[in-house]
Amino acid sequence: DIQTTQSPSSLSASPGDRVIITCRASQNIGSRLNWYQQRPGKAPRLLIYGTSSLQPGVSLRFRGSGTGTDFTLTINDLQPEDFATYYCQLSYSTFSTFGQGTKLEIK
Amino acid sequence: QITLWESGPTVVKPTQTLTLTCTCSGFSVRTSGVGVGWVRQPPGKALEWLALISWNDDTDYSPSLKNRLTISKDTSRNKVVLTMTNMDPVDTATYYCAHSLRDYQPPHYYFYMDVWGKGTTVTVSS
Repeated sequence: DIQTTQSPSSLSASPGDRVIITCRASQNIGSRLNWYQQRPGKAPRLLIYGTSSLQPGVSLRFRGSGTGTDFTLTINDLQPEDFATYYCQLSYSTFSTFGQGTKLEIK
Repeated sequence: QITLWESGPTVVKPTQTLTLTCTCSGFSVRTSGVGVGWVRQPPGKALEWLALISWNDDTDYSPSLKNRLTISKDTSRNKVVLTMTNMDPVDTATYYCAHSLRDYQPPHYYFYMDVWGKGTTVTVSS
């Protein structure tokens, strides 16, 4: 089975900072990588699909990049509402899998 | 406006079969390019993708749970049903369904989950 490695598992940052979260697939998945944000007690929210396409309504501060096996989510100018947990999701063959999550906390 | 609502038992006993229903509104489960997927999240843990059913009735399952899962849809009532057999306490989780759209990233198609239900919590306990 394909493996997903998301890092870091947790991250402390201050409002205004830029942070980068990475997701690595054990096999080439092209650009079939999505990013979600989840706030405590809430359902996940789609941020980016197809590696770099921004979901309508999502702030331009969020940017996705990568291809093949290595992907990143960059969040610029952190705002208070950005402190949450982030998950990558990759699609391979006939199934999908999520990363382990990155909890972004206020420093 | 697309909305999804999960429903089902809040408590099931070990070895029982869980049946969850996703009631879909604002879209048709028969619309080309649309799927409905299920994801779960044990307390304090990460999301786990479970299954997806496409508009054309194609189904995909998590390899690790494939033998226990069945996903189906009732097009007349615009609902999607997930069943999981032989429930165990480790299956205690919040279960989400999500509207999914098919995208093409050469050379493959894939789905992304753009609208989620609020989730339903299932506890497995005797």
